[in-house]
Amino acid sequence: GQNIDQPTEMTATEGAIVQINCTYQTSGFNGLFWYQQHAGEAPTFLSYNVLDGLEEKGRFSSFLSRSKGYSYLLLKELQMKDSASYLCAVQDSNYQLIWGAGTKLIIKP
Amino acid sequence: GAVVSQHPSRVICKSGTSVKIECRSLDFQATTMFWYRQFPKKSLMLMATSNEGSKATYEQGVEKDKFLINHASLTLSTLTVTSAHPEDSSFYICSAAGVNSYNEQFFGPGTRLTVL
Repeated sequence: GQNIDQPTEMTATEGAIVQINCTYQTSGFNGLFWYQQHAGEAPTFLSYNVLDGLEEKGRFSSFLSRSKGYSYLLLKELQMKDSASYLCAVQDSNYQLIWGAGTKLIIKP
Repeated sequence: GAVVSQHPSRVICKSGTSVKIECRSLDFQATTMFWYRQFPKKSLMLMATSNEGSKATYEQGVEKDKFLINHASLTLSTLTVTSAHPEDSSFYICSAAGVNSYNEQFFGPGTRLTVL
């Protein structure tokens, strides 16, 4: 079956760095997305990886290893507004998104 | 670019009534639109995929007669929850794809449905 695993919850300190991991097993692979979702709101796009390696975008970076079925989202210089759920989603061979359950990130001052 | 709107943002209705939710791609033509449902503290659950001009493809366990989806144009899809019950109360989110080659989905802001 298809499976996306990510930690349920993580806690980090304002100003620090946090890495959220995602492992996946899907039927086919056409890219991996990271989304941010604040409570009561729809997800917003953060990053897309289809080739192995690191994609950097400001304070956020995303890494992909297709051979390992693994990705991580790296958040630097954490701010209180980064408190949210972070969703990992893999696009399968039919270009459908398979969603992880999300990682709730709690930022403490 | 790539903005998706949803209307209404919130709706409260009585049991037994029907509710229509609209999803519009404002600045691009969406070849495919997706409807998701999200329960509190849960991830998104895909309900159905719709392509313009054709019938929607429903995920297993989703009643197509209860959740009617129409994708009449490249910029509009509607989800109608028929004969709503309190268990249909949820956060419904649509997304649209068709902007780029990797089929990125752009999400609407969501609709909070409460059935009394």
